[in-house]
Amino acid sequence: EVLLVESGGGLVQPGRSLRLSCAASGFTFDDYAMHWVRQAPGKGLEWVSGIGWNSDAIGYAASVKGRFTISRDNAKNSLYLQMNSLRPEDTAFYYCARTTGKTGGYTDSWGQGALVTVSS
Amino acid sequence: DIQLTQSPSFLSASVGDRVTITCRASQGINSYLAWYQQKPGKAPKFLIYPASTLQSGGPSRFSGSGSGTEFTLTISSLQPEDFATYYCQQLSTYPLTFGGGTKVEIK
Repeated sequence: EVLLVESGGGLVQPGRSLRLSCAASGFTFDDYAMHWVRQAPGKGLEWVSGIGWNSDAIGYAASVKGRFTISRDNAKNSLYLQMNSLRPEDTAFYYCARTTGKTGGYTDSWGQGALVTVSS
Repeated sequence: DIQLTQSPSFLSASVGDRVTITCRASQGINSYLAWYQQKPGKAPKFLIYPASTLQSGGPSRFSGSGSGTEFTLTISSLQPEDFATYYCQQLSTYPLTFGGGTKVEIK
């Protein structure tokens, strides 16, 4: 069974940093590209970032480019999202998501989400 | 960046109705479009990719069509479990993008 478990969410002040982690199990992690997708409470889905199986093919949404950094550690079956210079509009549930291929594809598995709240 | 515009953003329908949701891309994306269903408090669930290929084992009442810039998701006969929010997502080019969503509610 594919399992994706996010951690590291919480309340943070504007301008500060936070690092999300996603622990993957139940599949061969380095066979898949991975994404982060967020959803503000009561709002729609927003793709945040994606990374290929060997950490190439990295992409970011315009809204986070230059502030967020995605990375992965295949030896630890883990995905990360370093979030700097956080803004109130970054408040959302952040989902770790597995795609269907090494370089990308649609998302077939999601974590339960980690809530990030940016507020003073 | 490629923008996806979904319409309508909200629709009210009855069980048994035929429902069509449209997703328009700001530039051509061939058939690199996926559809997802999301119910309240749950993670999204994959339905269709590429544009017209239903997920294995998915209900046959769901179908997708289109290529280029205009796509549709059709539910041929709405069932009680289909009341949810539907999103399209383009997988053509980074940054990937989602449509704004279409909430399907019971009339």
